[in-house]
Amino acid sequence: DTAVSQTPKYLVTQMGNDKSIKCEQNLGHDTMYWYKQDSKKFLKIMFSYNNKELIINETVPNRFSPKSPDKAHLNLHINSLELGDSAVYFCASSQGPDTQYFGPGTRLTVL
Amino acid sequence: AQSVTQLGSHVSVSEGALVLLRCNYSSSVPPYLFWYVQYPNQGLQLLLKYTSAATLVKGINGFEAEFKKSETSFHLTKPSAHMSDAAEYFCAVSEPGGGADGLTFGKGTHLIIQP
Repeated sequence: DTAVSQTPKYLVTQMGNDKSIKCEQNLGHDTMYWYKQDSKKFLKIMFSYNNKELIINETVPNRFSPKSPDKAHLNLHINSLELGDSAVYFCASSQGPDTQYFGPGTRLTVL
Repeated sequence: AQSVTQLGSHVSVSEGALVLLRCNYSSSVPPYLFWYVQYPNQGLQLLLKYTSAATLVKGINGFEAEFKKSETSFHLTKPSAHMSDAAEYFCAVSEPGGGADGLTFGKGTHLIIQP
């Protein structure tokens, strides 16, 4: 069983479009995250969320918004996509501050 | 604020040689420290972690790391490199009381194994 899954694996879209990436974890963890990995492989936290609070990295544009329908899911919505949004996006989950388990990533290409 | 410095964006070693990947951190409180590996076009896989127990930590695939508070370091080693170790390695830190802030990653070290 896949612990943290993401769909789609690849996403190619035009500038200005709105898109979503889905994430599901079956580990029973209380916290989920979204990270962005740029073309230089640098990983940066975008959001973390548990059932109590959403923590947003202040550098993330408000075109990005996480949506959590339940404890096992944290989807990422992106409005008005820009060229600079092209990256690999990783979902992760953890139980508190312990080990984070990562999904396989979604490679987003904005044309 | 936390930060992580990985010395050397690329490290090249011969097959069978010692692997040493360097990581230094800064944190206002005793941190949790992690090493993750990323193979091409894949997600991140945990190699090992330090969470305030033993300072010498053993991980998967023969890797280990030693937490040295005085040097604020958490270097990753493997006695004998294998071709399959070629990958990107990331050191990361989190604060035990602030886990919801996510991990702070170093910029990564690309490990190249020469035959």
